[in-house]
Amino acid sequence: AQSVTQLGSHVSVSEGALVLLRCNYSSSVPPYLFWYVQYPNQGLQLLLKYTSAATLVKGINGFEAEFKKSETSFHLTKPSAHMSDAAEYFCAVSDRSGGFKTIFGAGTRLFVKA
Amino acid sequence: GAGVSQSPRYKVAKRGQDVALRCDPISGHVSLFWYQQALGQGPEFLTYFQNEAQLDKSGLPSDRFFAERPEGSVSTLKIQRTQQEDSAVYLCASSRLAASTDTQYFGPGTRLTVL
Repeated sequence: AQSVTQLGSHVSVSEGALVLLRCNYSSSVPPYLFWYVQYPNQGLQLLLKYTSAATLVKGINGFEAEFKKSETSFHLTKPSAHMSDAAEYFCAVSDRSGGFKTIFGAGTRLFVKA
Repeated sequence: GAGVSQSPRYKVAKRGQDVALRCDPISGHVSLFWYQQALGQGPEFLTYFQNEAQLDKSGLPSDRFFAERPEGSVSTLKIQRTQQEDSAVYLCASSRLAASTDTQYFGPGTRLTVL
């Protein structure tokens, strides 16, 4: 069975500081991995996804994530936080076995301080 | 419209009532997903449609939950005899292809409160 663990339900950074949101996955088959962002009163929006091409994936709004098989991790980073990055971020996993179920983590709320 | 829409945005039901939640996916999208998001949690998969076929309903929590997509476009999630534990945001998402890698586009959700 697949699962996703997001370490830290809340992360607070100063504007301009590095953003690091942690995600570890468990999967019996090579996974597909995703990061979604949810702004208040809006639907989830895809930030980036890993589908077995390059292990360093670049997404929208300056975010990127690196797939590390040995660590079963897919952490999300951004070099310099902006106030507009304040939102809820979800890591998700789906598998290659032909199913369509996507498993989401519990989410990490990012606060950005001026 | 350009995105996924859901209606109503908010629904308050008395325990025991039946409710119906509607999802209008992006036109032409093959795949449609329903998720349940409890407060402070991530979305939990409920069911998946490929066109009008319901290929996976393993996430539906009980037989009180029923979903349909009869013409392969609009979908309805029905909850019978609502219980307080059904209170959550119900999210709908669609994707263009029938592939696990395809980007899912989410609607704003329907917030269901069962009193």
